[in-house]
Amino acid sequence: EAGVAQSPRYKIIEKRQSVAFWCNPISGHATLYWYQQILGQGPKLLIQFQNNGVVDDSQLPKDRFSAERLKGVDSTLKIQPAKLEDSAVYLCASSESTGGKTEAFFGQGTRLTVV
Amino acid sequence: GNSVTQMEGPVTLSEEAFLTINCTYTATGYPSLFWYVQYPGEGLQLLLKATKADDKGSNKGFEATYRKETTSFHLEKGSVQVSDSAVYFCALHSGGSNYKLTFGKGTLLTVNP
Repeated sequence: EAGVAQSPRYKIIEKRQSVAFWCNPISGHATLYWYQQILGQGPKLLIQFQNNGVVDDSQLPKDRFSAERLKGVDSTLKIQPAKLEDSAVYLCASSESTGGKTEAFFGQGTRLTVV
Repeated sequence: GNSVTQMEGPVTLSEEAFLTINCTYTATGYPSLFWYVQYPGEGLQLLLKATKADDKGSNKGFEATYRKETTSFHLEKGSVQVSDSAVYFCALHSGGSNYKLTFGKGTLLTVNP
């Protein structure tokens, strides 16, 4: 079974530039998550989709971050404009459903460096 | 709100040593508890989980018991191997339809031959 695919693996940009990350979840998984993992910290949920609807985006900095999941499959996360503090690994995960006993499968992540 | 506190790392052990990584939590209701592992260059993988009090999760020789009285979920392994070198994250899900995992900061484990 193919896992969660993310691209690119690495990205270096200057502050105030824009950047986009792509995620392809496991086939058939209705729920998709984007997490931000800052160095030395655990992952923090940015946004959760159920099919193509947003379930939770309470921790998404909406003035600069946006995400979409068109057709309920692939998803993109965008940052515009980027700040130095956005340097982190951005993890995408998917699961069959949203229940607490359901396992979430994570991609390898995109490491963003803002200089 | 929910929170997870993990033992500060890094932890360095010799092969075949006993491992304990402490994890305590604060949550409302009856959370499910997880240990995730992140090997170098790879994504997070679920290592084990426990969904109710007194449950013991186990996988690959690792174990953790859900202790509601002490709000703890300590990870243990009797004999570590070099291949266990990774970052370990304790996490909780507080229930409901929103699968919002709350993670600890992670503990880096290095096992030397």
